[in-house]
Amino acid sequence: KAGVTQTPRYLIKTRGQQVTLSCSPISGHRSVSWYQQTPGQGLQFLFEYFSETQRNKGNFPGRFSGRQFSNSRSEMNVSTLELGDSALYLCASSLEQNGYTFGSGTRLTVV
Amino acid sequence: AQSVTQLDSQVPVFEEAPVELRCNYSSSVSVYLFWYVQYPNQGLQLLLKYLSGSTLVKGINGFEAEFNKSQTSFHLRKPSVHISDTAEYFCAVSESGGFQKLVFGTGTRLLVSP
Repeated sequence: KAGVTQTPRYLIKTRGQQVTLSCSPISGHRSVSWYQQTPGQGLQFLFEYFSETQRNKGNFPGRFSGRQFSNSRSEMNVSTLELGDSALYLCASSLEQNGYTFGSGTRLTVV
Repeated sequence: AQSVTQLDSQVPVFEEAPVELRCNYSSSVSVYLFWYVQYPNQGLQLLLKYLSGSTLVKGINGFEAEFNKSQTSFHLRKPSVHISDTAEYFCAVSESGGFQKLVFGTGTRLLVSP
């Protein structure tokens, strides 16, 4: 059974650009969550989607957005990138409240 | 709102010795508790979870944890560690019921030396 797949694994962007990250959940999982991991702030919740609806949102500026498609795949977008957006972005999917399965992450570097 | 405190940022231990990684949480509602492990350049792997029932939870790779409601703790233990257990360990809490966001602790780096 395939795990959570995140693409790309690594990304380098310039300040002011925008970026889109992709996440394919485990087959059958309808809940997809996104987290940001940085050395300074640790692991922080960005948002969660279920059946194409955002049900929960963390405390991030509006530059961070996401969406979920009918096949449960999800994308997150960050506009007007700042140096502080450099981080490991993790996607997690869940079938029920049985724990979340995480992908390997996308490491974004903003220069 | 929930919060998690991992009291030790780093725990050095010799191979085959026992280890305990400490986790305390704060919440005004019922919670679920999780331990995740992260190896370098990897995502998070679920070690074990407490949802309800027995307070002693067994996970993968020989790890176990005990939920103590009165002390609001969920410490992770392993009786004998291996070099391959060297990694970052995260304790997380969520509100019980439904798909709730995870609130993570700051992590504990377990360093196993021969």
